Amino acid sequence: GAVVSQHPSWVICKSGTSVKIECRSLDFQATTMFWYRQFPKQSLMLMATSNEGSKATYEQGVEKDKFLINHASLTLSTLTVTSAHPEDSSFYICSAGSPFTDTQYFGPGTRLTVL
Amino acid sequence: GDSVTQMEGPVTLSEEAFLTINCTYTATGYPSLFWYVQYPGEGLQLLLKATKADDKGSNKGFEATYRKETTSFHLEKGSVQVSDSAVYFCALSGLYEDKIIFGKGTRLHILP
Repeated sequence: GAVVSQHPSWVICKSGTSVKIECRSLDFQATTMFWYRQFPKQSLMLMATSNEGSKATYEQGVEKDKFLINHASLTLSTLTVTSAHPEDSSFYICSAGSPFTDTQYFGPGTRLTVL
Repeated sequence: GDSVTQMEGPVTLSEEAFLTINCTYTATGYPSLFWYVQYPGEGLQLLLKATKADDKGSNKGFEATYRKETTSFHLEKGSVQVSDSAVYFCALSGLYEDKIIFGKGTRLHILP
């Protein structure tokens, strides 16, 4: 079946630094990828929709200058958390839609801890 | 806007017990409905789905029926196992949208 990977699986960084998270669809091309954030014991919150070759669409309340999304190819989308602060610590999950089904496939997630 | 409401957890059951996790939704039109499962330390996995009214999704012994009249999509399993311990998310996707709206998740503990 379709596989989505994320890298890194976990990262610890100092406050003020930037962190890049990669999301790859390994065996299919995804024109659309999604980025979610999961707070402890809460649901996934959609942050943005990433379309290959165009600007990402951000959900209300998500700072586009802080969470930079780039979808450079049909198999790779990146999320960069700029000038990270402790409140940005969270579990970030991406998903990719297969063009042949109406199913989204989720990556394993990246746990970000900002000290 | 569209939303999903599911029963709060945690839900604790003994092995072989009957499971129901309630889920109701609010949406315009006819959304597709999903149940996702997140096992400890892993990402989300699609458990089952239904795309139109009265459809029944099923997988791994779990079932859920799309009930338009009650705007519900309750998850059921006749006999749970310890390995079913996980967090279960009810979700919907609008007819013309790709994005998925999730419920808050229900943590399920199955005791041996």
